[in-house]
Amino acid sequence: AQKVTQAQTEISVVEKEDVTLDCVYETRDTTYYLFWYKQPPSGELVFLIRRNSFDEQNEISGRYSWNFQKSTSSFNFTITASQVVDSAVYFCALRGTGRRALTFGSGTRLQVQP
Amino acid sequence: DTAVSQTPKYLVTQMGNDKSIKCEQNLGHDTMYWYKQDSKKFLKIMFSYNNKELIINETVPNRFSPKSPDKAHLNLHINSLELGDSAVYFCASSQGLGTGNINQPQHFGDGTRLSIL
Repeated sequence: AQKVTQAQTEISVVEKEDVTLDCVYETRDTTYYLFWYKQPPSGELVFLIRRNSFDEQNEISGRYSWNFQKSTSSFNFTITASQVVDSAVYFCALRGTGRRALTFGSGTRLQVQP
Repeated sequence: DTAVSQTPKYLVTQMGNDKSIKCEQNLGHDTMYWYKQDSKKFLKIMFSYNNKELIINETVPNRFSPKSPDKAHLNLHINSLELGDSAVYFCASSQGLGTGNINQPQHFGDGTRLSIL
């Protein structure tokens, strides 16, 4: 069975603070894929990043960075110098080789106050 | 330009009615999905089709029936709507089932908010 846990239900920060969203996953697949999606208040789901289980390089894209650690089954997401527009619900998701659908975490609601 | 489009965006109806949600993708993808997002924001897969063939059918009441007339369309028909069906339904698509495609992201429509009175 696959499982994704996002223990942080809601995080509130003040603009320009850095914030890290945690994601821990469980899977029996040796090869799997991890994703982050953003759901802003308007409701759509926006793909942010994917990571393959055999590629443990961290990635930085502008103010966003992702830290994948296979040893702790974690795929954390950091926003540097947060902005009000970052306010959204962020979902971590997992897809194994035997299952084509995504298994989502419960999401973390991020509120960035001006 | 819209990649995955769902209609309608909002659907308000009474208990017991039958309704349909349509989904179309212009990305040339082979695989399409329906997800349900409940009031607590939890997202769960309902169905998936690959080239018009059903490949995932989660534990969903048989009042829900997906239909894929071609690989670019996946519609969802719901009979005898119940209060508990109120949710946001998302359609998504991704490239086919080949091993080279499994790491490709799923692209989501904007969702259909279904409210049962």
